[in-house]
Amino acid sequence: AQKITQTQPGMFVQEKEAVTLDCTYDTSDPSYGLFWYKQPSSGEMIFLIYQGSYDQQNATEGRYSLNFQKARKSANLVISASQLGDSAMYFCAMVLYNQGGKLIFGQGTELSVKP
Amino acid sequence: ETGVTQTPRHLVMGMTNKKSLKCEQHLGHNAMYWYKQSAKKPLELMFVYSLEERVENNSVPSRFSPECPNSSHLFLHLHTLQPEDSALYLCASSLAISGTNEQFFGPGTRLTVL
Repeated sequence: AQKITQTQPGMFVQEKEAVTLDCTYDTSDPSYGLFWYKQPSSGEMIFLIYQGSYDQQNATEGRYSLNFQKARKSANLVISASQLGDSAMYFCAMVLYNQGGKLIFGQGTELSVKP
Repeated sequence: ETGVTQTPRHLVMGMTNKKSLKCEQHLGHNAMYWYKQSAKKPLELMFVYSLEERVENNSVPSRFSPECPNSSHLFLHLHTLQPEDSALYLCASSLAISGTNEQFFGPGTRLTVL
């Protein structure tokens, strides 16, 4: 069965430092995509970054980068130069290309950025 | 307005009430989704619509009834809910239901069932 695991319920980071949020996934399907979303206290899920299983390079979007290690089935999110506004819940999610848009989410990591 | 909007943002209802949640997307997308987010649990996909046709119904109780009158609007009709149905209900849309299309989420409706 497909599954996403986020083992860090909560993380703290000092402002301006980098932080890595862990995500491992489980699937036997070779065609999949991995997403990271941010959910502030307001509730809205904000798309951050996407990595396809066939992508050769790690995805980057501004201060966000995805450390994709296919053999280890991990897709960790790296946030560089943390800002106070980065404090939020972060969710890793997986979609199987042949299952039409069905996102499977992990349980999330709550990130707190300290001034 | 832009993006995905949801109304109401907060809803309190009794178990015998009937209410509806509304979602509207202004992105020209063809797929829309309902998710349930309960405390301490991952988001659970409830329904998927593609071009106004339901393509996924994830074993959701019949007290939740979705409706998609057109590709821009999605409703979730609620009746005789239980207290355990209290949760954040999130609507999302994507260009299509293929896996490479990211889903854009609305702000959610926080539902409390008394």
